[in-house]
Amino acid sequence: NAGVTQTPKFRILKIGQSMTLQCTQDMNHNYMYWYRQDPGMGLKLIYYSVGAGITDKGEVPNGYNVSRSTTEDFPLRLELAAPSQTSVYFCASSYSLRQNNSPLHFGNGTRLTVT
Amino acid sequence: SQELEQSPQSLIVQEGKNLTINCTSSKTLYGLYWYKQKYGEGLIFLMMLQKGGEEKSHEKITAKLDEKKQQSSLHITASQPSHAGIYLCGADTGYGSSNTGKLIFGQGTTLQVKP
Repeated sequence: NAGVTQTPKFRILKIGQSMTLQCTQDMNHNYMYWYRQDPGMGLKLIYYSVGAGITDKGEVPNGYNVSRSTTEDFPLRLELAAPSQTSVYFCASSYSLRQNNSPLHFGNGTRLTVT
Repeated sequence: SQELEQSPQSLIVQEGKNLTINCTSSKTLYGLYWYKQKYGEGLIFLMMLQKGGEEKSHEKITAKLDEKKQQSSLHITASQPSHAGIYLCGADTGYGSSNTGKLIFGQGTTLQVKP
């Protein structure tokens, strides 16, 4: 059971380039999330999805796009990379709405640098 | 919007000492989660609290949610080097039908334990 898998682990982009951060989970979770983590800032929610075909904005969605065509996959797209998007990105998934005994399961993160 | 404030931001303790990390919410907490993160890794779920006055323990870590459900504390007894890492509190941003499954986080508390 792989859990939540993120690729790549590291990436350096030039300003204006685009890329897709991949996230897949094999736990049949309906809920999936993308967070970014900046030093001293905790985790900020970018986008989330409550099921295939449904996505919604989080706290910091600008500059990002997502899609959820399957239950397993939730890719995050950066169209025009900016230095402000340098961060560590975490994908997470959960089974239930209230996460009562089903907390978020996190991937190991993607460290992105935009120069 | 709801915000979570953690204190202290960082902590250095001698091995064997007790310590407490606090998480204060700007709104009522309907579900409060504690996670631990080691450098370069994803977040590991520790505990979840829902009811006012609730207290849970796992090994040497105890988490409490106050009666008013606006503050939680995480207490580590007889700290060990294995406790070192970043501790984050997270919270549901809604309740019942208004709960979208959106989970926000505090900025994190970095703990170092000196042998």
